[in-house]
Amino acid sequence: SQQGEEDPQALSIQEGENATMNCSYKTSINNLQWYRQNSGRGLVHLILIRSNEREKHSGRLRVTLDTSKKSSSLLITASRAADTASYFCATEDSGAGSYQLTFGKGTKLSVIP
Amino acid sequence: DADVTQTPRNRITKTGKRIMLECSQTKGHDRMYWYRQDPGLGLRLIYYSFDVKDINKGEISDGYSVSRQAQAKFSLSLESAIPNQTALYFCATSGPTGAVGETQYFGPGTRLLVL
Repeated sequence: SQQGEEDPQALSIQEGENATMNCSYKTSINNLQWYRQNSGRGLVHLILIRSNEREKHSGRLRVTLDTSKKSSSLLITASRAADTASYFCATEDSGAGSYQLTFGKGTKLSVIP
Repeated sequence: DADVTQTPRNRITKTGKRIMLECSQTKGHDRMYWYRQDPGLGLRLIYYSFDVKDINKGEISDGYSVSRQAQAKFSLSLESAIPNQTALYFCATSGPTGAVGETQYFGPGTRLLVL
């Protein structure tokens, strides 16, 4: 069963704007990860945030984690047309066997030049 | 060269046929995974292997089998393909990073159509 649920399912913004995607999950986790997928291609890891961290930055990416609300957000600042892709959150659940990830259904981001 | 490769990249087959999807990696990782992706459903785990002697079922293993021939090779078989196995299939690997939490590295995917 799906653990993470991304919101919104689709997002369309103008180049230069910021894009925010949210992820909610159901159980206790060891960490939460965000991945990016260009159309029909393999997923690429973007960033990992541990359960004891609240915020993490990587370049134009900012991820927050609120374990009390079981939610995370991914912010992409100053978006570019090349950011057009689907973005997935994935959780490593603390109850399940280690190293398994449970993926959400993804947010499809379109950045209009 | 890509770290995780999958063959074939595209495959069309008929209902009832047996097919094998292959995955190879050069990352030296012990852990390998097979996922399928359907539109609007994200990725779902089919099987995973933590080393050559370890095979585990994932969320949706029915109708599939796997073989871990070596540390670097993990194959997925559909013994008797059916149309609802039409999907995009991904292989992934992960390995120890010395930190809490591992990231997964994905192959380019195999697009399978079962007629």
